Amino acid sequence: EVQLVESGGGLVQPGGSLRLSCAASGFTFRNYEMNWVRQAPGKGLDWVAFIGSSGKSVDYADSVKGRFTISRDNAKNSLFLQMNSLRVEDTSIYYCARDDGSGSYPASWGQGTLVTVSS
Amino acid sequence: QVVLSQSPSASASLGASVKLTCTLISGHSTYAIAWHQQQPKKGPRFLMRVNSDGSHYKGDGIPDRFSGSSSGAERYLTISNLQSEDEADYYCQTWATGIPWVFGGGTKLTVL
Repeated sequence: EVQLVESGGGLVQPGGSLRLSCAASGFTFRNYEMNWVRQAPGKGLDWVAFIGSSGKSVDYADSVKGRFTISRDNAKNSLFLQMNSLRVEDTSIYYCARDDGSGSYPASWGQGTLVTVSS
Repeated sequence: QVVLSQSPSASASLGASVKLTCTLISGHSTYAIAWHQQQPKKGPRFLMRVNSDGSHYKGDGIPDRFSGSSSGAERYLTISNLQSEDEADYYCQTWATGIPWVFGGGTKLTVL
């Protein structure tokens, strides 16, 4: 069974940093592209960042470009999101998601971790 | 820029059927989409992929009550024999080479 378990969320002041982690199990992690998707309170889903299976290819939403960094450790079956210069508008539940194997859609989702940016 | 349009809300009675619509705009009527369900206080769950020809592929464990179809630029999710646990938000999502995941605004389904 595919499992994705996020951690690392919490309360942080504007301008602060957080590092999110996603522990993957139940599939061959190194073979899959991974993404982070977020959901602001009461809002819909927004794609945040993408990383290719080897980690060499990355992409970001314009709203986080230059502030967030996605990375992965295939030896430890883990995905990360380093978030710097956090803003109030970054407050969201952050989900890690595994693609379907062809980069088309999220076939598996985690349960999410809440990031609250507030003074 | 691919854009997906969904009605904000829908409702239907317990045991009835409901058809949710996702419309592809900006000239992308041949794109496939995926449907995702998000029950209250939970993470999303992949339901199915729906292709432009109406064929669909469901995720593991998705009941037969859920089905997908297409017509032109519209992609549909039909839920038959509605159950209380089907009350959720439903998001459509699409993709293309060089374009990151795009989500519709979601439809909140109420089971009466």
